[in-house]
Amino acid sequence: GDSVTQMEGPVTLSEEAFLTINCTYTATGYPSLFWYVQYPGEGLQLLLKATKADDKGSNKGFEATYRKETTSFHLEKGSVQVSDSAVYFCALSTNFGNEKLTFGTGTRLTIIP
Amino acid sequence: SAVISQKPSRDICQRGTSLTIQCQVDSQVTMMFWYRQQPGQSLTLIATANQGSEATYESGFVIDKFPISRPNLTFSTLTVSNMSPEDSSIYLCSAAATNTEAFFGQGTRLTVV
Repeated sequence: GDSVTQMEGPVTLSEEAFLTINCTYTATGYPSLFWYVQYPGEGLQLLLKATKADDKGSNKGFEATYRKETTSFHLEKGSVQVSDSAVYFCALSTNFGNEKLTFGTGTRLTIIP
Repeated sequence: SAVISQKPSRDICQRGTSLTIQCQVDSQVTMMFWYRQQPGQSLTLIATANQGSEATYESGFVIDKFPISRPNLTFSTLTVSNMSPEDSSIYLCSAAATNTEAFFGQGTRLTVV
């Protein structure tokens, strides 16, 4: 079945550091890939997505590129801020309309000033 | 994007009792889902809530344990029945309009003692 393997946390970085959170997947067919973020005390929010190979999703300085050859969708940001502290979830969907999601375990990111 | 209100946000319940979680969306959606996030694990889809008919359950989840209602396009409930400590989790409601990404409520943190 479908699965998502995500870099285990927690991850602690200093402000302005470079961030990478690894995500790889196993899926039948051609999934759409997502990163969701959960800020403290809030619900899950869609951060970015990519629906086909070589697509790059980007939002709020975060980027992730859909790599079919390595079945990966790593999340990157060049310079993190304290406000980026949150839990990040990689997810995929293989159904039409992309509503049902298979999630990774989540990575808790803490940015220290 | 639309907003989901989920109630209660947290609860502590005695084993053997049942808890009903409510999910209200502020706009009409096509799909509504219920997920569970057990401690240290990823989000797992419990079921798709179908308007006016029985929910569609994922493998490992049954109606007797997790009865779900969806009387209209914007409201759904999930009941966790005959609870045990293993049911301690975060339960999340999710919704999506046709061909759009899913969005989430803040979740209900359930502790069974």
